[in-house]
Amino acid sequence: QKEVEQDPGPLSVPEGAIVSLNCTYSNSAFQYFMWYRQYSRKGPELLMYTYSSGNKEDGRFTAQVDKSSKYISLFIRDSQPSDSATYLCAMSAHYGGSQGNLIFGKGTKLSVKP
Amino acid sequence: NAGVTQTPKFQVLKTGQSMTLQCAQDMNHEYMSWYRQDPGMGLRLIHYSVGAGITDQGEVPNGYNVSRSTTEDFPLRLLSAAPSQTSVYFCASSYQASGRMRFFGPGTRLTVL
Repeated sequence: QKEVEQDPGPLSVPEGAIVSLNCTYSNSAFQYFMWYRQYSRKGPELLMYTYSSGNKEDGRFTAQVDKSSKYISLFIRDSQPSDSATYLCAMSAHYGGSQGNLIFGKGTKLSVKP
Repeated sequence: NAGVTQTPKFQVLKTGQSMTLQCAQDMNHEYMSWYRQDPGMGLRLIHYSVGAGITDQGEVPNGYNVSRSTTEDFPLRLLSAAPSQTSVYFCASSYQASGRMRFFGPGTRLTVL
């Protein structure tokens, strides 16, 4: 079992829909959780960063972490065609040293149709 | 601020050739790393560095070498290219003190024939 599991999709939704992207993980030591967005043929860019459990909101984006279930989610409200990209979850255990290295999910490809 | 830069953008090699992928950042980041991204495999860590003169292996280090003589540069060397090293390579950096919020470069697309 991989440490981080993410459904690769593809996921296709109409413009304006609420999108839910999810990852599960097995390592209970993970404390830092991130979502990256990657447009085609570009490098990943950080979208959301959360420490430990709880919710974090930034505009149309909400990140949720449920450490008891080892489950993280990214919600996109009022989705736009410009949100079409691959979304990667990433997580790490410690703040520094080798345990701080990020473990990535495989990414979910999202397409928002006008 | 140029951020994280990578050269070349594209490269085609023959099996057995060697080459160096360049990565530079101008943000004075202590932490730098190399990932490869393959279809269906996600991003996998090759090597990383927590500061000048300090490097360590990641998940898939075989066939690659790194060195970190300055804070700004972190080159990745392919010693004897193999078709299995065909991939997209990303360099990433971050402030040591602020955790693992990586800034990624634009990537190098490498094909080994």
